[in-house]
Amino acid sequence: GAGVSQTPSNKVTEKGKYVELRCDPISGHTALYWYRQSLGQGPEFLIYFQGTGAADDSGLPNDRFFAVRPEGSVSTLKIQRTERGDSAVYLCASSLTTIQGPTGELFFGEGSRLTVL
Amino acid sequence: AQKITQTQPGMFVQEKEAVTLDCTYDTSDQSYGLFWYKQPSSGEMIFLIYQGSYDEQNATEGRYSLNFQKARKSANLVISASQLGDSAMYFCAMRELNYGGSQGNLIFGKGTKLSVKP
Repeated sequence: GAGVSQTPSNKVTEKGKYVELRCDPISGHTALYWYRQSLGQGPEFLIYFQGTGAADDSGLPNDRFFAVRPEGSVSTLKIQRTERGDSAVYLCASSLTTIQGPTGELFFGEGSRLTVL
Repeated sequence: AQKITQTQPGMFVQEKEAVTLDCTYDTSDQSYGLFWYKQPSSGEMIFLIYQGSYDEQNATEGRYSLNFQKARKSANLVISASQLGDSAMYFCAMRELNYGGSQGNLIFGKGTKLSVKP
């Protein structure tokens, strides 16, 4: 497809389980972002990739959260030992990049809604 | 300190009227970009308009315009001729372009819920 694709769209899991959320960015976009959005709040930055490397992971809340982008396209957000407070919509976005860095707007996927029981 | 402040949790506007959604930002960078996104109840994030810190003219995109007041650090969104389909959450966001530092991510405000009344 032409847009950012996220799977699964919905994930229900139990406290303590491991979860993976996948993001397939727009072809040609080297910048990829993960955000978390809780109900009634704005998106909260988690991590940003430039190519394969994490350019900024300062938003990851703790070491239970990890993300990879091994080939510079698809990214996976991994959450270990999930907690009820991890319940949120996880948004992925991508953007173009110039030699000076990311440029233009972020194109968002439809999100993965995670519910931890 | 909040980087992006949206002081209006909710706003109402009559259909066909204009409405202004407030946004103030906090940065010490000289180079930055300001964005507005719309999020309907379906959850998708829709890009509306962009203003660069060095742009002298206020950005406009159709019925959307950005009232950029650099000295006041405000970037208010103006929607003219409101339509029922404009009812949604609206988020202001900023990207700081301090080369050599983290220059990638957008920082979002908490949003304003706009309701358009028929």
